[in-house]
Amino acid sequence: SYELTQPPSVSVSPGQTARITCSGDALPKQYAYWYQQKPGQAPVLVIYKDSERPSGIPERFSGSSSGTTVTLTISGVQAEDEADYYCQSADSSGTYGVFGGGTKLTVL
Amino acid sequence: QVQLQESGPGLVKPSQTLSLTCTVSGGSISSGGYYWSWIRQHPGKGLEWIGYIYYSGSTYYNPSLKSRVTISVDTSKNQFSLKLSSVTAADTAVYYCARVVGKVPAYYWYFDLWGRGTLVTVSS
Repeated sequence: SYELTQPPSVSVSPGQTARITCSGDALPKQYAYWYQQKPGQAPVLVIYKDSERPSGIPERFSGSSSGTTVTLTISGVQAEDEADYYCQSADSSGTYGVFGGGTKLTVL
Repeated sequence: QVQLQESGPGLVKPSQTLSLTCTVSGGSISSGGYYWSWIRQHPGKGLEWIGYIYYSGSTYYNPSLKSRVTISVDTSKNQFSLKLSSVTAADTAVYYCARVVGKVPAYYWYFDLWGRGTLVTVSS
């Protein structure tokens, strides 16, 4: 089955830049999406189609893509950004959805 | 604005069928343009896509769950539902319903709205 691979954890100090990667063989063919999930809450979309930002999402959130890896970048990290982040995409046929294992962002 | 709300039993016995309903408010499922999906999250773990349905009844399921999953839609009630049969403790999870944006199957689709989720525990 198709998988997306994320690092389990990333730690940064406030004001620094956090980068979270997501790797998958079908990413050159399929867009990737990023969700932020805080404890006890439902996920919230923060990036769609690799690099587009939904309305209401701060500009410090950005996304990029290169080959089989996509990256979520949070510039000027704030304490409120501490959360789990999940990438999501589809298999090469575009039929079946898949999530990465999630990355816990810790703001030191 | 459109909102989604999951409902159903919070406790299911092993070997029985888990049944959940998602009620959509603020918009009509039958207006088209969106698929409607179920996703689950095991305690302390990541997200797992279960499947999705179009208002016409067209469905796609996660291959790993396909033999046990049925997703249906009731446009008259503006609801869609999940049934998962022969449950075990491994099916204990928070179950979310979500709206899908994009074309399915295609090179883009994603979840733009989520319900709050409901915890379902499988235990005797």
